[in-house]
Amino acid sequence: AQKITQTQPGMFVQEKEAVTLDCTYDTSDPSYGLFWYKQPSSGEMIFLIYQGSYDQQNATEGRYSLNFQKARKSANLVISASQLGDSAMYFCAMREGYNQGGKLIFGQGTELSVKP
Amino acid sequence: DAMVIQNPRYQVTQFGKPVTLSCSQTLNHNVMYWYQQKSSQAPKLLFHYYDKDFNNEADTPDNFQSRRPNTSFCFLDIRSPGLGDAAMYLCATSRVVTGTQYFGPGTRLLVL
Repeated sequence: AQKITQTQPGMFVQEKEAVTLDCTYDTSDPSYGLFWYKQPSSGEMIFLIYQGSYDQQNATEGRYSLNFQKARKSANLVISASQLGDSAMYFCAMREGYNQGGKLIFGQGTELSVKP
Repeated sequence: DAMVIQNPRYQVTQFGKPVTLSCSQTLNHNVMYWYQQKSSQAPKLLFHYYDKDFNNEADTPDNFQSRRPNTSFCFLDIRSPGLGDAAMYLCATSRVVTGTQYFGPGTRLLVL
């Protein structure tokens, strides 16, 4: 079974508008971490934002915020005021517990295209 | 700036010819990871080091080996590359296993 599901293979957004990228996850471990990474065409994985399973508040980092709904097991990324440079592949990833060596399990990614 | 560096950025090798990919870090992180990412797929963990302690994923082929001679460097050796090993290889580091992983720019491997 998929542990991380990103249901949107591709998304378009108009420059300066906000966009939400969906991510749902599946785990029975009470302790886990959720991450979003951006991967431009150059290939580098750029860390964007982190949410811990015990965090009470949604994480925010500049224009990025994570809409964490624990009961629904969703961790959607919201990008406000989209810029042309935001065009890239976005991966949601999960790390389970403390005994998995930090292994990240990635979703299949969402390709975001920002239109001028 | 503290960073994760991968060399080379592009590597072309011949079928069956051993190849070594290099990763170095100036973050002084304890954990180093190697991921394989094939075209249009998600990255997949091959193995990781916590200090000198090597941890192999169960489904990592024996063809892939790794060395970590010191805190700063980690190498990925592919003993006999096949066409199916063509991929982007990503190195990542984290301070501890529960920490955020920071990735290098990756090495694109082409096998002819």
